[in-house]
Amino acid sequence: GQNIDQPTEMTATEGAIVQINCTYQTSGFNGLFWYQQHAGEAPTFLSYNVLDGLEEKGRFSSFLSRSKGYSYLLLKELQMKDSASYLCAVRDSNYQLIWGAGTKLIIKP
Amino acid sequence: DVKVTQSSRYLVKRTGEKVFLECVQDMDHENMFWYRQDPGLGLRLIYFSYDVKMKEKGDIPEGYSVSREKKERFSLILESASTNQTSMYLCASSGGDQSGANVLTFGAGSRLTVL
Repeated sequence: GQNIDQPTEMTATEGAIVQINCTYQTSGFNGLFWYQQHAGEAPTFLSYNVLDGLEEKGRFSSFLSRSKGYSYLLLKELQMKDSASYLCAVRDSNYQLIWGAGTKLIIKP
Repeated sequence: DVKVTQSSRYLVKRTGEKVFLECVQDMDHENMFWYRQDPGLGLRLIYFSYDVKMKEKGDIPEGYSVSREKKERFSLILESASTNQTSMYLCASSGGDQSGANVLTFGAGSRLTVL
């Protein structure tokens, strides 16, 4: 079966750095996505990786290793507004998205 | 600002009632999707549509149907609501983009409670 694993919950301190990991086993691979979802709101797109390596976008970076079935989302200079759930999703060989259950990130002052 | 609008944020229905969830997008996107989101689970695809009048079953279509009569509108129908359909329903759309990512734009969600 297809599976996406990410931690259920993480806690970090304002101003610090946090890394949210995502491992996947899917039938084929056609890209990996990270979305952010604040409580009670719509998920919003953060990043897309299709090739190995690091993609940087401001305070957020996303890394992919296809050979290891592994990605991480790195958030720097954490702000209170970064408190949210972070969803990892992989597009499989049928171009369907397989979603992880999400990581709830709690930022403490 | 691009938008996906879901008609109802909160609904409370009784078992056996027919429920309509409406979704409208203003981005001229070809693709539209209905997901449900439950605690501890990843988003699960109910139905999707790649064109007007066209629909495809997702992973959990049982108990649901959809309608896409116009490009901008994709409706989810629960013919006879049951308590296990209590959930958050998310509509999303995507269109061709040059990166090939086909990023999803989501609506704010419709939280349905079936009593």
